[in-house]
Amino acid sequence: GNSVTQMEGPVTLSEEAFLTINCTYTATGYPSLFWYVQYPGEGLQLLLKATKADDKGSNKGFEATYRKETTSFHLEKGSVQVSDSAVYFCALKSAGNNRKLIWGLGTSLAVNP
Amino acid sequence: GAVVSQHPSWVICKSGTSVKIECRSLDFQATTMFWYRQFPKQSLMLMATSNEGSKATYEQGVEKDKFLINHASLTLSTLTVTSAHPEDSSFYICSAATGGAGQPQHFGDGTRLSIL
Repeated sequence: GNSVTQMEGPVTLSEEAFLTINCTYTATGYPSLFWYVQYPGEGLQLLLKATKADDKGSNKGFEATYRKETTSFHLEKGSVQVSDSAVYFCALKSAGNNRKLIWGLGTSLAVNP
Repeated sequence: GAVVSQHPSWVICKSGTSVKIECRSLDFQATTMFWYRQFPKQSLMLMATSNEGSKATYEQGVEKDKFLINHASLTLSTLTVTSAHPEDSSFYICSAATGGAGQPQHFGDGTRLSIL
């Protein structure tokens, strides 16, 4: 079945450091891929998405490229800020009309000044 | 755009009380709404999927008589936790989706439920 594997956290970085959070998936066909962010005490917000192979999603300095050959959708940011401290979730939605999302376990990021 | 409002954001009540949580899509029509439960430091657990005007589809292990879901319109879904007990204390999050299968879910800010 479909699944999403995220790197385990917590991840602790200093401000302006480079961030990578790995996400790989298992799915049949061509799923859509998403990164969601959850700030402390809040619900989830869509950070970026990609719906087909080689698409690059980007938002707020974050990027992720849909790599079909490596079944990956790694999240990157060149220079993190303290305000980026949050939990990041990678998610997959399989092709077709099923809207159900398959979630990774989430990766907690703490950025220190 | 694509704002989802969830209410209340926090509720504390006595054991045995029934609690209703509302989820509204404010600026779009949500053909599908989802209800999740999140335990501390864990991922989201999908409880049920609801389509407007039809019965909700519950995930395995979720008691439909315990967690009543109503999706009466394209902008409103409600989750009622009936006869809540301390073990029902959790963070409940709704999301709404519209359009094609490639469209993302948009999330409410969640409801923190504490049962005493």
